[in-house]
Amino acid sequence: QLVLTQPPSASASLGASVNLTCTLSSGYSSAAIAWHQQQPGKGPRYLIKLNADGSHNKGDGIPDRFSGSSSGTERYLTISSLQSADEADYYCQTWDTGIQVFGGGTKLTVL
Amino acid sequence: EVHILESGGGLAQPGGSLRLSCAASGFTFRSHAMSWVRQAPGKGLEWVSSISGSGDKTYDADSVKGRFTISRDNSKNTMFLQMNSLRREDTAVYYCATYDNSGSHFDSWGQGTLVTVSS
Repeated sequence: QLVLTQPPSASASLGASVNLTCTLSSGYSSAAIAWHQQQPGKGPRYLIKLNADGSHNKGDGIPDRFSGSSSGTERYLTISSLQSADEADYYCQTWDTGIQVFGGGTKLTVL
Repeated sequence: EVHILESGGGLAQPGGSLRLSCAASGFTFRSHAMSWVRQAPGKGLEWVSSISGSGDKTYDADSVKGRFTISRDNSKNTMFLQMNSLRREDTAVYYCATYDNSGSHFDSWGQGTLVTVSS
């Protein structure tokens, strides 16, 4: 069964970097995912599509501070030079024939 | 620039019906699959339904199968979600999302419309 697992929370200091993790269920190590950001009270915003080989494509206007990488069933979103506006919920998403799957989301706190 | 606007949310009684609309602009509407995604209060995102660009293929989550129907009118750049037999657990903000050109992931989102199911 296709499942995405995310830690419920993460924190990092203003100006620092943070890695958010999304883990695919066993057997799906070749799957691509997408990362979405949801700031408080707003709709989600597409950030980046991340392939199993680590190649990625970002959404329009997404700054270079956002990048992605992959290792096995792990997919990472790295945010560098953290700003207060980066405090948000981050969701990973993947897909299979006829279905879409979201991870439970990670709430990022910028200290 | 892509613009997506959901409407039609509101209060419905358990067992009742609502019809949501999603008006889109800024891209070739008929060329993109579309989807509804919902978010219950304080919870994460949950995929609800998807429809192909031409409207000939639809997919539904098990939680709404047989109760919700997704459709689209490409002449009006609008997608719909007919929600019947509503349950309290359908209470959520419903978002409209567009698929990217490859039809894999969502690359644009609306601001959502709130559906509350309560007596």
